[in-house]
Amino acid sequence: DAGVIQSPRHEVTEMGQEVTLRCKPISGHNSLFWYRQTMMRGLELLIYFNNNVPIDDSGMPEDRFSAKMPNASFSTLKIQPSEPRDSAVYFCASSPGGSSGNTIYFGEGSWLTVV
Amino acid sequence: AQSVAQPEDQVNVAEGNPLTVKCTYSVSGNPYLFWYVQYPNRGLQFLLKYITGDNLVKGSYGFEAEFNKSQTSFHLKKPSALVSDSALYFCAVRRYNNDMRFGAGTRLTVKP
Repeated sequence: DAGVIQSPRHEVTEMGQEVTLRCKPISGHNSLFWYRQTMMRGLELLIYFNNNVPIDDSGMPEDRFSAKMPNASFSTLKIQPSEPRDSAVYFCASSPGGSSGNTIYFGEGSWLTVV
Repeated sequence: AQSVAQPEDQVNVAEGNPLTVKCTYSVSGNPYLFWYVQYPNRGLQFLLKYITGDNLVKGSYGFEAEFNKSQTSFHLKKPSALVSDSALYFCAVRRYNNDMRFGAGTRLTVKP
């Protein structure tokens, strides 16, 4: 069974460049989440979608960040322009819909370094 | 606000000894509580969850957790620690509006 698939796994980019992170959730899952992990701030929820619709984006740090989910099997998180403080691990996760008791499953993360 | 707290940044135990990683919660209504483990350079892996029913929940890799409503705690336990259990452990609460919030994490080190 394929889990949540993220790409790229690692990205090094220069400040000011656009970064696009991609995610394929587990088939059949209705909810998709983007998290960011840093040493200083731990795990932060950036945005989540239910049935491809953004429900809460209050965690998105700035207008430089945007996320889309054009269909049930694909989502992107875009940073434009990128800054060194965006360096972090970005996790995508998904879960079945219908209950808050359902487990959320994480991808392996996209390790972003902005120099 | 619904949240969880992990009061210990670091827990050290000797191999073969029991381990406990602590978590307390602040949730209105019935809590949905989870434990995840993160190994170096990996994503978070689900260990176990409490939804309702028995207060003692059993999960992966021999881990279990005890839900204690009076103490608002959900501590993770294992009777006999292994060196391979060394990792970062996160407690989490899934909120009524469907998202999940994590504690700060506890780094467990098991020494041979």
